[in-house]
Amino acid sequence: SQTIHQWPATLVQPVGSPLSLECTVEGTSNPNLYWYRQAAGRGLQLLFYSVGIGQISSEVPQNLSASRPQDRQFILSSKKLLLSDSGFYLCAWVPRNYGYTFGSGTRLTVV
Amino acid sequence: AQSVTQLGSHVSVSEGALVLLRCNYSSSVPPYLFWYVQYPNQGLQLLLKYTTGATLVKGINGFEAEFKKSETSFHLTKPSAHMSDAAEYFCAVSEGFGNEKLTFGTGTRLTIIP
Repeated sequence: SQTIHQWPATLVQPVGSPLSLECTVEGTSNPNLYWYRQAAGRGLQLLFYSVGIGQISSEVPQNLSASRPQDRQFILSSKKLLLSDSGFYLCAWVPRNYGYTFGSGTRLTVV
Repeated sequence: AQSVTQLGSHVSVSEGALVLLRCNYSSSVPPYLFWYVQYPNQGLQLLLKYTTGATLVKGINGFEAEFKKSETSFHLTKPSAHMSDAAEYFCAVSEGFGNEKLTFGTGTRLTIIP
């Protein structure tokens, strides 16, 4: 079966600390992968997407970066977190029949 | 560029009453349209989608939506609300085949009154 895993579920980090969020997909190959951020009281904002290993497209200039070291792995990173990086981060992929499948999300609080 | 407008950030209905969540979109090409539901601290779950074909689409949990091109709308309905329907609902649009990127509305929080 096709599943998507995202971790950690929650994270509290101090300002200026690094960040690494991981997303992996099982049961498929060469998926298109997406990172979204959901800020409190707002909709979902597309941050990055990837159509293959080493291929990253950034939608919004920011303090974050993404990498795709393996076919089914997508990583969201930051060298130094800002307070404004707090939010709910969601990884997603698109099966052939359309309609994103989302991971369970990571709640990041920067303090 | 695509955009989605969800009218009403908060909607309250009584248990057993009709649920109507409004969504209007703009797209330069025939759109693919989606409704997602999000329960607290969880990811988003696909309720239903419209790609092509029949304009009335049925989804999970008794929800349905109708694509009305003339009104650029894709409103979500359910005949009888249940307490378990309390959640946040997001409408989204994509340009479809070859461009899967979704543009989301800001969401509607649905509260069910017992």
